Amino acid sequence: SQKIEQNSEALNIQEGKTATLTCNYTNYSPAYLQWYRQDPGRGPVFLLLIRENEKEKRKERLKVTFDTTLKQSLFHITASQPADSATYLCALEVTGGFKTIFGAGTRLFVKA
Amino acid sequence: SQTIHQWPATLVQPVGSPLSLECTVEGTSNPNLYWYRQAAGRGLQLLFYSVGIGQISSEVPQNLSASRPQDRQFILSSKKLLLSDSGFYLCAWSVGRRGISYEQYFGPGTRLTVT
Repeated sequence: SQKIEQNSEALNIQEGKTATLTCNYTNYSPAYLQWYRQDPGRGPVFLLLIRENEKEKRKERLKVTFDTTLKQSLFHITASQPADSATYLCALEVTGGFKTIFGAGTRLFVKA
Repeated sequence: SQTIHQWPATLVQPVGSPLSLECTVEGTSNPNLYWYRQAAGRGLQLLFYSVGIGQISSEVPQNLSASRPQDRQFILSSKKLLLSDSGFYLCAWSVGRRGISYEQYFGPGTRLTVT
């Protein structure tokens, strides 16, 4: 079955640095991959979607890469701020497009 | 603009009691609708999804059920709650284009504690 792996350990970085989060997947080749942000006690918020034929996608300080050979996506936040502290979830669509499966997320802490 | 509502925000129920969680979406038509459960520190587990009125697909065998009586209303139910049903329940919608789901928009969630 499809499996998504995100680093379960929290990532601690200093304000102003670039945060890089990793998402690996196995047993599948998704047509697209998504990243969401989740704050404690809240529902996830959609950030970016990248398709299999796109190598990179940017939105303001966010950048996502998608390597279908490595079966990996990297999520970067440049010039990180304490307000970026949250859990970031990777998600991929399942064949048929009706379903999306989510990784467990990586907790990011940005220290001032 | 589109909005999604879920209620109640928190719920404490005894084991064996029934459950009904409601989700409604405004500002869009014929959305795909989803129910997820999230255990503490875990990822989202897809419970049910629906691509239209009365069309429900179940992902996980359990004592929960879902119904979609109207286009923008999605209900999660149980006849008898178990302790293991505790968790954070999230409703979400996406734009359905010939069955292909895109980004999902989540409601505020319901924190359910079964005692």
